[in-house]
Amino acid sequence: NAGVTQTPKFRVLKTGQSMTLLCAQDMNHEYMYWYRQDPGMGLRLIHYSVGEGTTAKGEVPDGYNVSRLKKQNFLLGLESAAPSQTSVYFCASSLPDSTYEQYFGPGTRLTVT
Amino acid sequence: GEDVEQSLFLSVREGDSSVINCTYTDSSSTYLYWYKQEPGAGLQLLTYIFSNMDMKQDQRLTVLLNKKDKHLSLRIADTQTGDSAIYFCAENVGNRDDKIIFGKGTRLHILP
Repeated sequence: NAGVTQTPKFRVLKTGQSMTLLCAQDMNHEYMYWYRQDPGMGLRLIHYSVGEGTTAKGEVPDGYNVSRLKKQNFLLGLESAAPSQTSVYFCASSLPDSTYEQYFGPGTRLTVT
Repeated sequence: GEDVEQSLFLSVREGDSSVINCTYTDSSSTYLYWYKQEPGAGLQLLTYIFSNMDMKQDQRLTVLLNKKDKHLSLRIADTQTGDSAIYFCAENVGNRDDKIIFGKGTRLHILP
């Protein structure tokens, strides 16, 4: 099992550009999550999904959109990147009856200039 | 609102015990967790404890929960250089299994 994978690992964007971060998991997990990690802020939940075709807002959803067209994939989109979105983004997944056991991807470091 | 607080830094000599402390605010949390993040890597779930437990031990790790004071601690016995990492305390929010709140992380530095 590859577990949770994220692409790309690094990306630099100019303000106003758009991009999509891809998260994939091969553990047949129902739940998937996107977090951002900023220095001194810990991890904050952006959006999450409890199943294919469903998404919900987390703590800091503004400026992001997500889609869960396939169970194994969870996409995070930035339509118009801003410097405030410079961060490390982590994807995670879990089973519905084991949400305390979230498996994390390796992270994507995004810089917006 | 929900909040998880932990100190940002801890330095410990190799071979000593490390104790990382955390306080949380949501008294209805069902689970509390400790995650470990090594440099350049994702987060790894170290251990978790159900809110109706006081203590959980797993090899070198001991988790203590004081539910009255909403205080959680992680003790690492015989700290090794490989334990150098950031440790995140986290709680789930009430009966919402899908929402976990993380602390800001404690950076554990191992002194030779």
